[in-house]
Amino acid sequence: GAGVSQTPSNKVTEKGKYVELRCDPISGHTALYWYRQSLGQGPEFLIYFQGTGAADDSGLPNDRFFAVRPEGSVSTLKIQRTERGDSAVYLCASSLTPTGTGELFFGEGSRLTVL
Amino acid sequence: DQQVKQNSPSLSVQEGRISILNCDYTNSMFDYFLWYKKYPAEGPTFLISISSIKDKNEDGRFTVFLNKSAKHLSLHIVPSQPGDSAVYFCAASGGGSQGNLIFGKGTKLSVKP
Repeated sequence: GAGVSQTPSNKVTEKGKYVELRCDPISGHTALYWYRQSLGQGPEFLIYFQGTGAADDSGLPNDRFFAVRPEGSVSTLKIQRTERGDSAVYLCASSLTPTGTGELFFGEGSRLTVL
Repeated sequence: DQQVKQNSPSLSVQEGRISILNCDYTNSMFDYFLWYKKYPAEGPTFLISISSIKDKNEDGRFTVFLNKSAKHLSLHIVPSQPGDSAVYFCAASGGGSQGNLIFGKGTKLSVKP
C-alpha cells in the first residue's frame, strides 16, 4: 500500500504480558515516529528514528518501552510487563526526511487494551 | 503542564458558515505550527501549517492565523462543509525537534447540513 501500515489494528492483552506493535512506513521515508494517543488526549511523542538509529527517545515513558528499526524501514514498538495505563492507540508516522516542519504521514494506529 | 492548549472540546457550525478553531501555546521556542484533521478509526492527516515568521497562511478554504505576541493561532474554514466534521488537532514543533510534535487535545467539529 501507499500509506503507513500498522499491525495489529487491535490488540487485547492481560496485565503483565509482552506486546509488539509493528509499523511499515511509506517506502523511501527515512524518518519514523511513534506517538501514543490516550482517550481524550492528543497524540504524545514517544520516539523518533532517523534510519536505523533512535535520534530522540525522550518520550518513552519508562524502560518497559523499547523500539527498534534494524534495517531502516519497518519498526517494532515493544512493551514489556504491560500495565492497564498502557492502554491507548499507538500511532506510527513517517516522513521523507527529518522534518522540523512537522508534516508527518500517520498510520491508522494500533489500539492496545490491557485488561 | 500543557504547552499546546485547545480549550474548546467541541464546536458545532452550520454548513456554509465559518468554522473558527482556536489554539494557545506557551513555549516561545516553537517555530512551526500545524493543524491535523482526524476522522474516527483513522490516523491524523496533515491539513495546513504556518511558520513562526508568518502571520497568515491560506490554502483553499483553510486559513491559519498566528498571533505570536498572544501566543495564539486559529484555523478558519470557509465555507464549512459536512465532510469537514472531524477532530482537529493543533500541534507545534520547535528548537530543532525534528518531528517531536506537541499536540493539543483536539476540538471536535460538527458541521450540520
